[in-house]
Amino acid sequence: DIQMTQSPSTLAASVGDRVTITCRASQSLNSWLAWYQQKPGKAPNLLIYKTSSLESGVPSRFSGSGSGTEFTLTISSLQPDDFATYYCQQYNSFPLTFGQGTKVEIK
Amino acid sequence: EVQLVESGGGLVQPGGSLRLSCAASGFTFSSYWMSWVRQAPGKGLEWVAIIKQDGSEKKYVDSVKGRFTISRDNAENSLYLQMNSLRAEDTAVYYCAKYDASGDWARAFDIWGQGTMVTVSS
Repeated sequence: DIQMTQSPSTLAASVGDRVTITCRASQSLNSWLAWYQQKPGKAPNLLIYKTSSLESGVPSRFSGSGSGTEFTLTISSLQPDDFATYYCQQYNSFPLTFGQGTKVEIK
Repeated sequence: EVQLVESGGGLVQPGGSLRLSCAASGFTFSSYWMSWVRQAPGKGLEWVAIIKQDGSEKKYVDSVKGRFTISRDNAENSLYLQMNSLRAEDTAVYYCAKYDASGDWARAFDIWGQGTMVTVSS
């Protein structure tokens, strides 16, 4: 099974900050890495797929990058609506696995 | 509007059974893999099971193999999860999710339902 490790687990930031979340996989993912945003009591929402492709309707301040086993999600200028928990997920092979999540809190 | 609506959650005793349903609308249900993902209270996301478009292929996370069965009815645009021998650790919100595995631009879980809560407790 591919293990996914996110860092940090929690991040405190201010509106306007540039935020970066890292996701490491235990094996190469061949770019099959997605990022989701989840707000309390709501279902996750797809932000980025195939490492760096922005899902339709997602603001351009979100971007993804990486290759092999190391990936990042960047929010270029944090907005009030972005305070949430973010998950990476590999879909290179079964079982599909998620990172443990990164909670972005208000500083 | 593309939509997934889960139902069937509730309180069940350890060792009991429950069947979850997911009604799909707004897209060609029969063209996509479909999946269940769960989230225990205060915890992260865990993929549970997935089924191919025609039902010919099914995969499960190890912790539910032999206890849970995923199925679908393309004529009814519905996805199901039969859960038997339930344990306390199966307590979670269960989400139905559309899995886009289409070729070079596969988008993983692009549509999610609102979730249905399953509580396993005596």
